[in-house]
Amino acid sequence: DGGITQSPKYLFRKEGQNVTLSCEQNLNHDAMYWYRQDPGQGLRLIYYSQIVNDFQKGDIAEGYSVSREKKESFPLTVTSAQKNPTAFYLCASSIVRTGAEAFFGQGTRLTVV
Amino acid sequence: QQQVKQSPQSLIVQKGGISIINCAYENTAFDYFPWYQQFPGKGPALLIAIRPDVSEKKEGRFTISFNKSAKQFSLHIMDSQPGDSATYFCAAAGNAGNMLTFGGGTRLMVKP
Repeated sequence: DGGITQSPKYLFRKEGQNVTLSCEQNLNHDAMYWYRQDPGQGLRLIYYSQIVNDFQKGDIAEGYSVSREKKESFPLTVTSAQKNPTAFYLCASSIVRTGAEAFFGQGTRLTVV
Repeated sequence: QQQVKQSPQSLIVQKGGISIINCAYENTAFDYFPWYQQFPGKGPALLIAIRPDVSEKKEGRFTISFNKSAKQFSLHIMDSQPGDSATYFCAAAGNAGNMLTFGGGTRLMVKP
């Protein structure tokens, strides 16, 4: 089945730790995205990549980093510099480079303990 | 600056009623307007989308109405069912770097 797989589903982080969220897609989409969702809020764009080995900052990139070494994979690292990392993180991909017709993964819920 | 504004934040509708959610946008470069449905703990799923060359699009019980001059679009859910209870997001995207931008979401509850 084609789709987007995010792992893990739940992640706990201690203060000062970096953690990496995985996102893999087998839809052959060029573009991939990371969004952050806070309770009762809309989705805010963290980073996006329109092609392998290239990525751009979104609206809230501070404290996050990404890489795009393979077309299928777009991991997100939440660094210790992110002051309030507890949130629901969503990965998406689209064949259109502006995010139109984006398909989303099932999300990773990150909690700082 | 919030580029896509969505209202209401929450909505309660009786089973069989019509649910209406509204969105307004500012960026005239947007040319793609989707609606997403999200259940708790899940990722959003694309429900229906419209482009500005038409004023209305219908898929089953879901209809998007689009008013280009007013820069507004809305989702109508006819014959609302309890299974429609979810959070709905409008969004907008365009070319030349105008990335998919989401409204704040509407939590819909359909009462049996």
